[in-house]
Amino acid sequence: DTAVSQTPKYLVTQMGNDKSIKCEQNLGHDTMYWYKQDSKKFLKIMFSYNNKELIINETVPNRFSPKSPDKAHLNLHINSLELGDSAVYFCASSPPGQGNPDTQYFGPGTRLTVL
Amino acid sequence: QKEVEQDPGPLSVPEGAIVSLNCTYSNSAFQYFMWYRQYSRKGPELLMYTYSSGNKEDGRFTAQVDKSSKYISLFIRDSQPSDSATYLCAALGNAGNNRKLIWGLGTSLAVNP
Repeated sequence: DTAVSQTPKYLVTQMGNDKSIKCEQNLGHDTMYWYKQDSKKFLKIMFSYNNKELIINETVPNRFSPKSPDKAHLNLHINSLELGDSAVYFCASSPPGQGNPDTQYFGPGTRLTVL
Repeated sequence: QKEVEQDPGPLSVPEGAIVSLNCTYSNSAFQYFMWYRQYSRKGPELLMYTYSSGNKEDGRFTAQVDKSSKYISLFIRDSQPSDSATYLCAALGNAGNNRKLIWGLGTSLAVNP
């Protein structure tokens, strides 16, 4: 009955490889996000999709490409991985903001290590 | 200057202490102020939020916003070892580009038995 799930939980790979992280939410939310949390714990938004439409696209290298096949899924594909991509990547989702803040529900994170 | 500033700590207190966690922000358009708690190797989870200025209490936790000084606080009474976590403040505006959560760095808290 996990609300926001991510796979894989851990990912160790070599520089230059291409990898994908998958995210699924069963909360019926319209909006999904990808965040990167670095070793200093700073949480930085990367992308946000609302009903499969990209609404936030922060200054992220174009090696990172999100894809939302439907509103319950938001995947993140990373090309040509670099050492600096090592971080924990969190997926989150939120319900439609009806005058209240968009409470975000986070997945467990994917710990990416690039060697 | 970051839009939301938060001292990363770490903060270490004995069990039972009153804990005060603080953030400042710079954007006057922010209307909602949240506190998220993140346990080690887990995703953040929402603790509570306040709208505009004022206080909000939930059990041992009190969130406070002072919009005149752009200051956000979270107080934890009778702190417990289970409160040991990183606490992240976040702020959100109402519309347009401000309709995006802006996060603080997070403050690491250890409550020692």
